[in-house]
Amino acid sequence: EIVMTQSPATLSVSPGERATLSCRASQNVRSNLAWYQQRPGQAPRLLIYGASIRATGIPARFTGSGSATEFTLTISSLQSEDFAVYYCQQYNDWRTFGPGTKVDIK
Amino acid sequence: EVQLVESGGGLVQPGRSLRLSCAASGFKFDANAMHWVRQAPGKGLEWVSGISTNSASIGYADSVKGRFTISRDNAENILYLQMKSLEPEDTALYYCAKDSKSGPFDDWGQGTLVTVSS
Repeated sequence: EIVMTQSPATLSVSPGERATLSCRASQNVRSNLAWYQQRPGQAPRLLIYGASIRATGIPARFTGSGSATEFTLTISSLQSEDFAVYYCQQYNDWRTFGPGTKVDIK
Repeated sequence: EVQLVESGGGLVQPGRSLRLSCAASGFKFDANAMHWVRQAPGKGLEWVSGISTNSASIGYADSVKGRFTISRDNAENILYLQMKSLEPEDTALYYCAKDSKSGPFDDWGQGTLVTVSS
């Protein structure tokens, strides 16, 4: 089973600032990596797939990068609606989620 | 519009069984793999199980292997999760999720809550 880890667990950022979230896979998942956003009380929403491809309707301030075992999600200028929990997921071998990074207001 | 509506959750005693359903509409159900994902209260997402379009390929998380069984009815557009030998650690909101053609989950239901407690 592929284990996903994320860092940091919590990221405190001021509105308008940049946020950088990291995700690591225990083995090579190529570019089969997705990012999801989950706001309180809501189901997760797909942001990025293929490590760097924005899903339909996702703003350009969300950027994914990386391959193999190291991945990054960057939110260039945080808006109020971006304060949420972010999960990475590998889909190279069935599916596994990381533990999540909570982005909160500084 | 894609709709995924889960049902079947509730309060159940440890050791008992429960079957969840997910009614799908708004897309060609038999053209997409489907999955169950759960989220314990205040915790993160955990992939539980997935099933291919024709049920030929099925996978489970280690935590539920041997206790949970996923299935689908392509004629009725329904996804199922049969859960047996339930444990308090299975308490969670269970989401049904649609697999996009490339692998990630592009649509989710709103979840059904399962509480395992005596």
